[in-house]
Amino acid sequence: EAGVTQSPTHLIKTRGQQATLRCSPISGHTSVYWYQQALGLGLQFLLWYDEGEERNRGNFPPRFSGRQFPNYSSELNVNALELEDSALYLCASSQYNSPLHFGNGTRLTVT
Amino acid sequence: AQSVTQPDIHITVSEGASLELRCNYSYGATPYLFWYVQSPGQGLQLLLKYFSGDTLVQGIKGFEAEFKRSQSSFNLRKPSVHWSDAAEYFCAVGPNSGGYQKVTFGTGTKLQVIP
Repeated sequence: EAGVTQSPTHLIKTRGQQATLRCSPISGHTSVYWYQQALGLGLQFLLWYDEGEERNRGNFPPRFSGRQFPNYSSELNVNALELEDSALYLCASSQYNSPLHFGNGTRLTVT
Repeated sequence: AQSVTQPDIHITVSEGASLELRCNYSYGATPYLFWYVQSPGQGLQLLLKYFSGDTLVQGIKGFEAEFKRSQSSFNLRKPSVHWSDAAEYFCAVGPNSGGYQKVTFGTGTKLQVIP
């Protein structure tokens, strides 16, 4: 079975720009989770999508947003990029009570 | 509020030696507990999980973990470490219902394996 796939692998943006990150969950998984892994801060929960709806969001400003498409893939958008947004962004999927399965992440660098 | 503490930021062990990574959690009810491993440049891979039942849980790659409710701990162990085990290890705690958005991760323990 194909795992969670994320694209792009690396993304370099300048401050003030917008970034779009993409995630395809494991086939059959309807829930997608986004996490930010900044250096020294561990994994911080960003957003949870299930069945096309945003179900919960973590303690992040509104410029972090996203959506889930009918095929359950998901997009994370970060507007008005700031230097501190530089991090590894991880997507995970799950189905019902299965544990989280993670992708390899998108490394976002803001200069 | 739930929390996870991994007191060791960095651990170095010799190849072939035993390993124990510590994890303490704070949670008001019966938790779900997880250990994940992250190799450089990779995502997190699930090593093992505890939901209920036997408190000694076997995982992949020869790892095991023991849930001790009285100590609020879920330490990860391996009897003989291989060089390929060098990675960062994350303990996580979550509720037994309500979705994985409530899973809280520890800050990780980076394992270095020396020959």
